[in-house]
Amino acid sequence: EADIYQTPRYLVIGTGKKITLECSQTMGHDKMYWYQQDPGMELHLIHYSYGVNSTEKGDLSSESTVSRIRTEHFPLTLESARPSHTSQYLCASSESPSGALETQYFGPGTRLLVL
Amino acid sequence: QKEVEQNSGPLSVPEGAIASLNCTYSDRGSQSFFWYRQYSGKSPELIMFIYSNGDKEDGRFTAQLNKASQYVSLLIRDSQPSDSATYLCAVKENSGYSTLTFGKGTMLLVSP
Repeated sequence: EADIYQTPRYLVIGTGKKITLECSQTMGHDKMYWYQQDPGMELHLIHYSYGVNSTEKGDLSSESTVSRIRTEHFPLTLESARPSHTSQYLCASSESPSGALETQYFGPGTRLLVL
Repeated sequence: QKEVEQNSGPLSVPEGAIASLNCTYSDRGSQSFFWYRQYSGKSPELIMFIYSNGDKEDGRFTAQLNKASQYVSLLIRDSQPSDSATYLCAVKENSGYSTLTFGKGTMLLVSP
């Protein structure tokens, strides 16, 4: 089972501020993911990475950006937060580098409220 | 467009009953199938996965897969109030470069 950490767990911030949501995992997983989920709604993949210096956009268009400079770290940045960015952001990582038997493990999430 | 369909529910069952959660998927290239449980306000946690046709049992949980019908289900025996949550079905192709496709989830309510 993966250990995935997200900080902050809760964030209330004003419009126009730059924010970075942190995600770290200690299991050496190559693949990492960011999902966005509104309350009671489905998960939307917004970014993913297959390894260091690899980043891809997900199914849902997002104004956020990500970076993957270290295997264990996959931060998500919003340059200018807006109320429409209010949501829960979930980070995940997976242990298998190839094939179908790849299980994703989720971090605890960051709840973001933009005023 | 890959689609994973689940009845949003809520599915209400009494304590001790069997809860049956269903999922259909559109992509015939899907090779592995996952069930996640998500409590309100929490992140999803993996319950089990299945990749071969038939049944796979793990404690009170049984996953069933029928690739010909593109159908996967999760049975929860002896349902407990603590099982009340949203259950997410997810599917994946047999490729290291594919991502999981999640359904919208089915809310399960187990009444004491």
